[in-house]
This record gives sequence, C-alpha cells and structure tokens, in this order.
Amino acid sequence: AAGVIQSPRHLIKEKRETATLKCYPIPRHDTVYWYQQGPGQDPQFLISFYEKMQSDKGSIPDRFSAQQFSDYHSELNMSSLELGDSALYFCASSLSGGITDTQYFGPGTRLTVL
Amino acid sequence: GENVEQHPSTLSVQEGDSAVIKCTYSDSASNYFPWYKQELGKRPQLIIDIRSNVGEKKDQRIAVTLNKTAKHFSLHITETQPEDSAVYFCAATLYGQNFVFGPGTRLSVLP
Repeated sequence: AAGVIQSPRHLIKEKRETATLKCYPIPRHDTVYWYQQGPGQDPQFLISFYEKMQSDKGSIPDRFSAQQFSDYHSELNMSSLELGDSALYFCASSLSGGITDTQYFGPGTRLTVL
Repeated sequence: GENVEQHPSTLSVQEGDSAVIKCTYSDSASNYFPWYKQELGKRPQLIIDIRSNVGEKKDQRIAVTLNKTAKHFSLHITETQPEDSAVYFCAATLYGQNFVFGPGTRLSVLP
C-alpha cells in the first residue's frame, strides 16, 4: 500500500539559509500534519492542513511557513535557519471522517543546520 | 490544551515477560488514543489504537486499556521479544486534531 512520502530524506544547511521540505500524503488522504522531533524527544506538532486550508497551528516558529496544494501535497518552508532547527521533521496524513481517522507518518526528513 | 504524561521513561524486561506502559491525559474531550512504536531514526509506526467508546482492545500480543474516568490508558505487551525493543509513544487527540504525544518510553527486551 502507498505510504506517505517525504523529500528530501536528509538535508544539510548552514545557519540563516532556507529549506523546503515536501510531503506527499497517502492517496485520498485530505489532511496533512507536520511534526518536529528533536533528539530523544517526542514529536511536537507544528501545523496542519485540511483540504488545502490551515486547520490548526502548534509550536511553529514565525520563520516557518507551510501550505497544502491542490494535489494535497504539502511543503514546509523554513527560513533563517538556526542550529536549534536541527531535528527530524515528520509529515503525517489522515483521512478525516474515515473509519480509523488515524495519522500515518512519513519516513521523515532529517535536517541538520551547521 | 491537552497534556499527556507517560511512565516509565525507560523499561527493561526479560524476553518472554510482559511490559506495561501507562499514560495519562488531561483533556476529557480527547476521544482517540493511538500508540506508536519508533525505532531509532525511523518513523513512528502505529501499533494499536483505541477510541473513547471502548475500554479494551487486543491485537495478538498487544493490548490497550482505557479508563475514561481516570483519564489514563495503558499499553500491554505480552511474551516480549527482542524486536519489541524501541521507543513507544502514546498520544491523545480529538478526532481530526493534531496528536499530543507523551514523552516516550524506551523499552529494552533483554535476551
């Protein structure tokens, strides 16, 4: 079965640079969530989109923005990168109102800021 | 907002023994409680979930119990195997909302 796809899998950036992370949800899933996971920590919710509209916002810095496109893929744009932004970034997708309504995680993008 | 606590933070068991991880949540409106297993550097993988209208759910060696009144839920793994070693996260949410994860439990199954 198709899963959530994220690209790139690994990304190395310098401080103050920008980065764009992409997420392709499971086909027919209409909701996308972004989580940030630091070393040894639990995933922290950043932002979510339902039907291309922002549905909820968590601890996402103002330097970050995200959107969901007409094909339901989502991009997380990160500017003025800081050392503390180094983390695993997971995208998850779900089908709202579906039988399980659970979230399925992508493989993650490991961002390293030098 | 929702707050999820999880205990213990680390757990070591002998192969074949049972493991129990407990979580408490604060928001009585939460109605969906998934458990994820995460191996180092990999994605969280859903292993079992439970909705608020159910008290217990079992899937082979894994079971989850929910006490809505006390606002806690537990993961039970029986006949543990070395491949069960991983970090386990509980989460609580209202349908369609973001997950609030517990801090995780590192389970080590010793051969």
